[in-house]
Amino acid sequence: ETGVTQSPTHLIKTRGQQVTLRCSSQSGHNTVSWYQQALGQGPQFIFQYYREEENGRGNFPPRFSGLQFPNYSSELNVNALELDDSALYLCASSPGGGRYNEQFFGPGTRLTVL
Amino acid sequence: KQEVTQIPAALSVPEGENLVLNCSFTDSAIYNLQWFRQDPGKGLTSLLLIQSSQREQTSGRLNASLDKSSGRSTLYIAASQPGDSATYLCAGPSRSGGYQKVTFGTGTKLQVIP
Repeated sequence: ETGVTQSPTHLIKTRGQQVTLRCSSQSGHNTVSWYQQALGQGPQFIFQYYREEENGRGNFPPRFSGLQFPNYSSELNVNALELDDSALYLCASSPGGGRYNEQFFGPGTRLTVL
Repeated sequence: KQEVTQIPAALSVPEGENLVLNCSFTDSAIYNLQWFRQDPGKGLTSLLLIQSSQREQTSGRLNASLDKSSGRSTLYIAASQPGDSATYLCAGPSRSGGYQKVTFGTGTKLQVIP
C-alpha cells in the first residue's frame, strides 16, 4: 500500500499566474483534504472532498478550487496568484466519510510566488 | 468558530525527561482529536487519533488524552530522545456553518538536547 504523494515538490510562480497542485491519495481513501501552511504557522484548512464532491471549506476565496477524481487523485487550483499564497500546500487522505477517521498527509508542495 | 491553542509554543528539554504538550479547543463538538509531528519543511506524520468517545490513546512512549468537557487534550512523551525534536500539532474536525472544518493549532516546537 503506497502512502499519499504530492507533485511537484517545489514550484515557483509569479503574481497573477495560475497553478495546479496534485495529490494521489492512499488506495481506498475516498476523502481528501487540502491545507495551506505558511511559515511558522499551523496548517489552514482549505477544503475537503468526499467522493468527488466538496463537503467542507475553510475561509479561502473562490480562486482556490479543487477537483477529486475516481482514481483517488485530486487537484488544488489557485488562480490569480498573490504573494501571500506562498506556502507549503499539504493534502491529506482518509478512508470512509472522513469525519471520524485518521488523516494521512503527503509531503507537501512548496509554492513560492514572486 | 473553532479555535485551537497549543502551549507552550516552544520547549527545550534534556534527553530522558518526560514532558507534556497541551492543546486547547473552544468548540467541544469535535469528532476526534489527532496529534501530528512535523519535521522542518516536511509533511505531517500522524501520531495518535482519539475519537470523541474515547479519553486516551497510547502508542509506545506517547500517550494522548482528551477531555471534551474542558476543551483540552494533552500529549505525554516519556523518556524523550533527540529524535523526538520536531514541531507537534493537534487538530480536530468540527461542524461549522453546515460544513465540516478541520482546525489546527499553531504547534509546539520541541527540542530535546542530548
